[in-house]
Amino acid sequence: KNEVEQSPQNLTAQEGEFITINCSYSVGISALHWLQQHPGGGIVSLFMLSSGKKKHGRLIATINIQEKHSSLHITASHPRDSAVYICAVSQGAQKLVFGQGTRLTINP
Amino acid sequence: DAGITQSPRHKVTETGTPVTLRCHQTENHRYMYWYRQDPGHGLRLIHYSYGVKDTDKGEVSDGYSVSRSKTEDFLLTLESATSSQTSVYFCAISESTGTGSYEQYFGPGTRLTVT
Repeated sequence: KNEVEQSPQNLTAQEGEFITINCSYSVGISALHWLQQHPGGGIVSLFMLSSGKKKHGRLIATINIQEKHSSLHITASHPRDSAVYICAVSQGAQKLVFGQGTRLTINP
Repeated sequence: DAGITQSPRHKVTETGTPVTLRCHQTENHRYMYWYRQDPGHGLRLIHYSYGVKDTDKGEVSDGYSVSRSKTEDFLLTLESATSSQTSVYFCAISESTGTGSYEQYFGPGTRLTVT
């Protein structure tokens, strides 16, 4: 069993829909990270959180430490949000452990 | 964007040849990492560094070595490239945020093909 599990693996939605991507982990962590990777592109850090909730524009990330679960929400989704979203957990500075990623496609 | 560059960005090489990938940062961050990304496996840590001349292995370190002689440069060497090392390689850097957490910033990636 992977230490970090994401669901769904693939998600297709229509423009404007509310999107939720889930991440569950099985190890103790110092922080949880959400990353975005566009096709053929680099990896961008969206959020790093260790408790509660963070919001950047239309993106919201939440974490429940007791349940070892995090969600990434996208409100009013747009085709430019189409990308792979990757959940990762860190234990201090030593390494990130990554989920398999969720491929999101937003159709106009 | 964090100042991280990788070179080369693309490389095709033959099996059995040595290959060195370079990661260069202008942020003076202490920690540097090399990851590989493969379909079906996601991102996996190869090696990381926690200071000049201080390095340690990750989960997929066999066949790779690293060196860090300056804060700004972290080199990844494939001693004798094999087709299984065909991958996209990402460098990352991090520094403490002051709360015990370390946000990582990624380079643009190097696509390596071993024929």
